[in-house]
This record gives sequence, structure tokens and C-alpha cells, in this order.
Amino acid sequence: DTEVTQTPKHLVMGMTNKKSLKCEQHMGHRAMYWYKQKAKKPPELMFVYSYEKLSINESVPSRFSPECPNSSLLNLHLHALQPEDSALYLCASSQKSGEGYLGDTQYFGPGTRLTVL
Amino acid sequence: AQSVTQLDSHVSVSEGTPVLLRCNYSSSYSPSLFWYVQHPNKGLQLLLKYTSAATLVKGINGFEAEFKKSETSFHLTKPSAHMSDAAEYFCVVSDPSGSARQLTFGSGTQLTVLP
Repeated sequence: DTEVTQTPKHLVMGMTNKKSLKCEQHMGHRAMYWYKQKAKKPPELMFVYSYEKLSINESVPSRFSPECPNSSLLNLHLHALQPEDSALYLCASSQKSGEGYLGDTQYFGPGTRLTVL
Repeated sequence: AQSVTQLDSHVSVSEGTPVLLRCNYSSSYSPSLFWYVQHPNKGLQLLLKYTSAATLVKGINGFEAEFKKSETSFHLTKPSAHMSDAAEYFCVVSDPSGSARQLTFGSGTQLTVLP
């Protein structure tokens, strides 16, 4: 099973709201990723977690706060977002069997379509 | 540094005719290469992966790709297009250094299949 699940599928929020996106995988993968994808563009990497520790933060604004409570679960907490943050947010995971990520295949979830009003 | 170029932003084919989506890459080392497909409002689905074994890689749904080192290409083909193949396709190269900034995406090719 190569399934990554994400909830909710759609989210509409105001600029003063606090909400969270959830991602789950049960493949035993130890690397998990958040991507942001705008329409007609490729995904852009936001965060990488390796063994539940934040490995990469691609200079993402602090209104996005990732959390990895355990090896299967990845959250993205949202607060005081801007309309330009509206996008498809994709979660991915990969095995990360060695020191690096060489040869890893990333498996993507279906995404959460976020609209900020 | 590595990069990937998808040579066509849009490709349109008739149902039942062959599909060719072109991808060129640049990498200092032997890369891993992927093709992902994204249907409207969906996540990315892995079509196939090249990792320095056989140069002709077979994927799901009848797609295949051939790694040509001399041409630095990894074009995606399918003998006969189906309406369900209409989607966005991304050619992706994996950083051979093993960095966590693993994937470099092409800009995507929108495939339209005409009845």
C-alpha cells in the first residue's frame, strides 16, 4: 500500500482563523514533506521532516507551523494567512533508508485545497 | 546544480494515437528520474522511476520512458492515448547528492486527449 492520506480535502478560512492540515501514512516511511502548489505550477517544497525532526524549512513564513507528532503523522498549522496563501497543499513521504535521500521515491497525498478569504 | 526542462507546456493528441512528452535534464551525477501525473484537483501519482538499472522503464497505465544519457533525455511515451490520460505530467530529477531538497520538478506538460 502506497497511500498517503490528507484531511480535509477542502478548507476555506478567513485571515484571522487558525486551522490545521493533517497528513498520515502507514508505509513505515521516515521522511515526510509539505509542498505548496499554485495553479498551473509545479509543487514547491516547504518543509522536510526526517525521523520526526525538522530537517528543512525553505524560508516559509511563520504563519505556517509544521508539526510531526509521530512517524506516521504530519500536521501543518495555519494562522493569520493571507489570500496569496491560497493553494493546493500536498503532503508526501519517502522511505529514507540511509543517511541521505538518495534513490528515495516520494509518494504524494491527494492534497488539501486551501482558500483564504 | 541540477535542472529539468519539459520541452512542451501543452501537448494535444487524438484518442488512440501515440503520446510523446519530452523531458531533458541536467545533473552532475547519475540522477534518479521520475514521471508523475496529476489529474485535475488531485495529488501527484508516480508513473515510473529510473534509477540506473534498465534504461527503458515501464510504468503504470501503459506508459514507459527511455533514459538516454548521451542526449540527457527522459521522454515519456505511450502507444495509444486514452481519454483518461488527460492530465498534467511532471518530469522530476532527484538530487544525486542525497540532499533533503530532493526533487527538482519540471514546469509540467498539460496533455489533452481529443475524442
